[in-house]
Amino acid sequence: GQNIDQPTEMTATEGAIVQINCTYQTSGFNGLFWYQQHAGEAPTFLSYNVLDGLEEKGRFSSFLSRSKGYSYLLLKELQMKDSASYLCAVMDSNYQLIWGAGTKLIIKP
Amino acid sequence: DTEVTQTPKHLVMGMTNKKSLKCEQHMGHRAMYWYKQKAKKPPELMFVYSYEKLSINESVPSRFSPECPNSSLLNLHLHALQPEDSALYLCASSQEDGSTGELFFGEGSRLTVL
Repeated sequence: GQNIDQPTEMTATEGAIVQINCTYQTSGFNGLFWYQQHAGEAPTFLSYNVLDGLEEKGRFSSFLSRSKGYSYLLLKELQMKDSASYLCAVMDSNYQLIWGAGTKLIIKP
Repeated sequence: DTEVTQTPKHLVMGMTNKKSLKCEQHMGHRAMYWYKQKAKKPPELMFVYSYEKLSINESVPSRFSPECPNSSLLNLHLHALQPEDSALYLCASSQEDGSTGELFFGEGSRLTVL
């Protein structure tokens, strides 16, 4: 079966760094996505990795290791507005997005 | 214009009502999607339209009926829904059916079925 695992909830302090991990087992791989979703709002695209390595975009970075079926999203200089759910999603061999359950990130002052 | 616009934002309907959710995008995207999302759960794919043709129907009950009048519009017709159908319904679009992957989501239509 297809499976994506990420922690249910994480807590971090404003100004700090947090890493949200995602492991996956899917039928084929055509890229891994991270989305941010604030409560009651639609998901917004953060990053896309299809090759191994680190993609940096401002305060956010995403890493992929295809051989390990592993990715992480790194958030630096945390701000209160970063409190949200972070969804990991993998595109399988049929170009279907398989979603993780999301990680709720709580930022404390 | 990088927006996907959904209307209405909120909808309350009885189990015997007929209503429709509407979605519009003007990014020239050729794939459009309907997702259903329950609280604290990831989005669940319902339907995919690619080049205005229904390409994926994820075993969705017939009380949900999608329609794609043209490449910019996507509707979801609702009839005889059940209370468990209450959820956030998200429309999304992408350049093509999956090849680039990035989905642009609308703000969603929050549906309550009484």
